[in-house]
Amino acid sequence: GENVEQHPSTLSVQEGDSAVIKCTYSDSASNYFPWYKQELGKGPQLIIDIRSNVGEKKDQRIAVTLNKTAKHFSLHITETQPEDSAVYFCAASLRGNEKLTFGTGTRLTIIP
Amino acid sequence: DTGVSQDPRHKITKRGQNVTFRCDPISEHNRLYWYRQTLGQGPEFLTYFQNEAQLEKSRLLSDRFSAERPKGSFSTLEIQRTEQGDSAMYLCASTSPTDEQYFGPGTRLTVT
Repeated sequence: GENVEQHPSTLSVQEGDSAVIKCTYSDSASNYFPWYKQELGKGPQLIIDIRSNVGEKKDQRIAVTLNKTAKHFSLHITETQPEDSAVYFCAASLRGNEKLTFGTGTRLTIIP
Repeated sequence: DTGVSQDPRHKITKRGQNVTFRCDPISEHNRLYWYRQTLGQGPEFLTYFQNEAQLEKSRLLSDRFSAERPKGSFSTLEIQRTEQGDSAMYLCASTSPTDEQYFGPGTRLTVT
């Protein structure tokens, strides 16, 4: 089955700086890669996703890149703000409506 | 669109008792997923429904676990004879027509 690894497990950045979280996956058949943000006591919130026919996708301060050859994808957050502090999870699946395999999460702390 | 809702939000039970959780997906979302999340880990797939049909069950879903979606709308997850190892956050998600998975707030189960 699919295995997703995520790094780093914790990340602290100064407010206004950029944050990058990286994930690798094992199943070359995977084609859908979402990112979720989870705040304490809440369910995961979808923040951005990318499908295998696209190499990069941006939404305001958030971007995701995908390298299918190397089987890795990354989340980039620019101009970080205190409200970006949360746990971020990457995930992978065969298709968008299939079960997701999650990474182990990255706790992002934005230092004011 | 009121989002995915789950009830109860918290449940404390004694070992050996049965518990049942409910999930109401976003209306018109045909696929419904159950995941389990333990502290410091990403969500793990348990089972999913396409309308009222249960199409896949993870090996994590022991015979003490049963899930239903009788009319293709809300779903229930029952755990019989709870064990301390069942303590976790149980998350429900439903899939949009464009294949994104949206999660509910989760039910936190504590088995004492």
